[in-house]
Amino acid sequence: DAKTTQPPSMDCAEGRAANLPCNHSTISGNEYVYWYRQIHSQGPQYIIHGLKNNETNEMASLIITEDRKSSTLILPHATLRDTAVYYCIVRNNQGGKLIFGQGTELSVKP
Amino acid sequence: GAGVSQSPSNKVTEKGKDVELRCDPISGHTALYWYRQSLGQGLEFLIYFQGNSAPDKSGLPSDRFSAERTGGSVSTLTIQRTQQEDSAVYLCASSSKRASTDTQYFGPGTRLTVL
Repeated sequence: DAKTTQPPSMDCAEGRAANLPCNHSTISGNEYVYWYRQIHSQGPQYIIHGLKNNETNEMASLIITEDRKSSTLILPHATLRDTAVYYCIVRNNQGGKLIFGQGTELSVKP
Repeated sequence: GAGVSQSPSNKVTEKGKDVELRCDPISGHTALYWYRQSLGQGLEFLIYFQGNSAPDKSGLPSDRFSAERTGGSVSTLTIQRTQQEDSAVYLCASSSKRASTDTQYFGPGTRLTVL
């Protein structure tokens, strides 16, 4: 599976959009981009995933560049409860393990 | 519906003892995963069960670690002769593998402390 690069930490003001970047320049054609988050002392939580088209669900939006070498997770109106470590993971859709990097620690501040 | 459950939530043991950690996956999920997260570290894959196929044990750190999944449902992770470096949060996840997404749903974890 391809590796990803994320900034170690980011701050965001409550109510503003949080934009979390991820680089995955070695992604293969059959690999998807997945985002999970881990709130302190909890198990990871699935957020969203995509292949090449932009995706949106009730939690977030995922913007994938046309060359698929990077993506951005957008939390449109961040709340204090969105404070967590956000993991960008690239993998194919045949199942199997998730390879977690260090993620981005997002701090949402009042 | 019910999510993935794990027990116990916390386990304190003495070095050299054996421990068993339990995972109850979401009903109907055919895939089950174990991960661990040491203090200040990322999540590390341990083992993966998919239906009746042979498990992927490639992440198990030593032969002191083993896991089984009985009846395609409940799984037990066993650590023999525990060492202090085994102290970590052990996380279980399951997925349906029926949907194309194969989203993994995680349990709350078991915090293991080896004294």
